[in-house]
Amino acid sequence: QQPVQSPQAVILREGEDAVINCSSSKALYSVHWYRQKHGEAPVFLMILLKGGEQKGHEKISASFNEKKQQSSLYLTASQLSYSGTYFCGTESDSSNTGKLIFGQGTTLQVKP
Amino acid sequence: EAGVAQSPRYKIIEKRQSVAFWCNPISGHATLYWYQQILGQGPKLLIQFQNNGVVDDSQLPKDRFSAERLKGVDSTLKIQPAKLEDSAVYLCASRRRQGPQETQYFGPGTRLLVL
Repeated sequence: QQPVQSPQAVILREGEDAVINCSSSKALYSVHWYRQKHGEAPVFLMILLKGGEQKGHEKISASFNEKKQQSSLYLTASQLSYSGTYFCGTESDSSNTGKLIFGQGTTLQVKP
Repeated sequence: EAGVAQSPRYKIIEKRQSVAFWCNPISGHATLYWYQQILGQGPKLLIQFQNNGVVDDSQLPKDRFSAERLKGVDSTLKIQPAKLEDSAVYLCASRRRQGPQETQYFGPGTRLLVL
């Protein structure tokens, strides 16, 4: 079951904040966040594990709500370099085979 | 550490022709994945290898797609014959091992256009 991301697209000015959500109908073991720029490979941002803590990387952080089976990616004080498409990849197999199912993506555009 | 390598980067073929893609994962990574990414969508898993064995190929259209990883290192994905709907980016990814905190790292992809 493909996770659902929202919103589908976001346009920001530099310095503004954004939140991207990833929801699944299945119980999740982990959520992996990637950013993909046009014509490039997805780049790993962070991984959230069931029972784990909220993660942060510079001005990008994420949380995992096990009750809602939802993860949220927080981008604060956005920079031009944050532009791209953000994907969440969910792993619901507790045997940890590493199989990820990706959402449809959220396109973020940061303007000067 | 070198990343995941893929070739070719671009390929244009006519429908009913065959095509092959090559992937060399990060050194030491036991798990290798092939994804298909259609424009505007997230990557969709085609096949997953653990060393040289297939773990999951449930989404691979086996009537036309095949993949192998003979020595447990590099891998090839083949399409024969190609259809118009196969136009997509084919991404290869690798993962060091199973376990928490382990994620997948993607190669640059091969962009396929079927005319």
